[in-house]
Amino acid sequence: NAGVMQNPRHLVRRRGQEARLRCSPMKGHSHVYWYRQLPEEGLKFMVYLQKENIIDESGMPKERFSAEFPKEGPSILRIQQVVRGDSAAYFCASSLLEEGYNEQFFGPGTRLTVL
Amino acid sequence: GQQLNQSPQSMFIQEGEDVSMNCTSSSIFNTWLWYKQEPGEGPVLLIALYKAGELTSNGRLTAQFGITRKDSFLNISASIPSDVGIYFCAGVNSGGSNYKLTFGKGTLLTVNP
Repeated sequence: NAGVMQNPRHLVRRRGQEARLRCSPMKGHSHVYWYRQLPEEGLKFMVYLQKENIIDESGMPKERFSAEFPKEGPSILRIQQVVRGDSAAYFCASSLLEEGYNEQFFGPGTRLTVL
Repeated sequence: GQQLNQSPQSMFIQEGEDVSMNCTSSSIFNTWLWYKQEPGEGPVLLIALYKAGELTSNGRLTAQFGITRKDSFLNISASIPSDVGIYFCAGVNSGGSNYKLTFGKGTLLTVNP
């Protein structure tokens, strides 16, 4: 499967625990984006990363949320001390973007439920 | 922040009917995209539009980039049951943040066989 891969597909956490969401971009893609989708809403941009760099994190809450895309391995979206309001579907997308817009391909998402 | 107004919110149609949905914005976008999302899955890109006035088809789907660059529509002709899903429009700005997709809230399409 050469598409964007995300795991886990479903994640259940209790309030106060940590959630780690992983994303492996399409082969050859070095640009990763994370989006959040609340029920009956469109996707909202959170963060844009290139290898070892955070380019734009303007859509990500300043507290408890962090993202990384290391030189080796998947991109990680980390949510510390989760609260019920963090329950949502989190989607990762990747692209070949060099300059200007390039098509973003989405993974199947991680559905986070906070009890 | 920027918002896209997508309508209608939902549609219930009979198999074989044509469907039209649209998105409007108060801001100018330089790219419009249409995605389809099925339950439990991520959005799948259907059509990308890069020029004002552009009309693009993908099988039974046709989408247009409005001349004002503030709107776009998607038409589906001769609908079939597998067209069921949520259709999202998304816009991309020109300028520095030309990677950031702004999504509409989606149109839920139900097709009765």
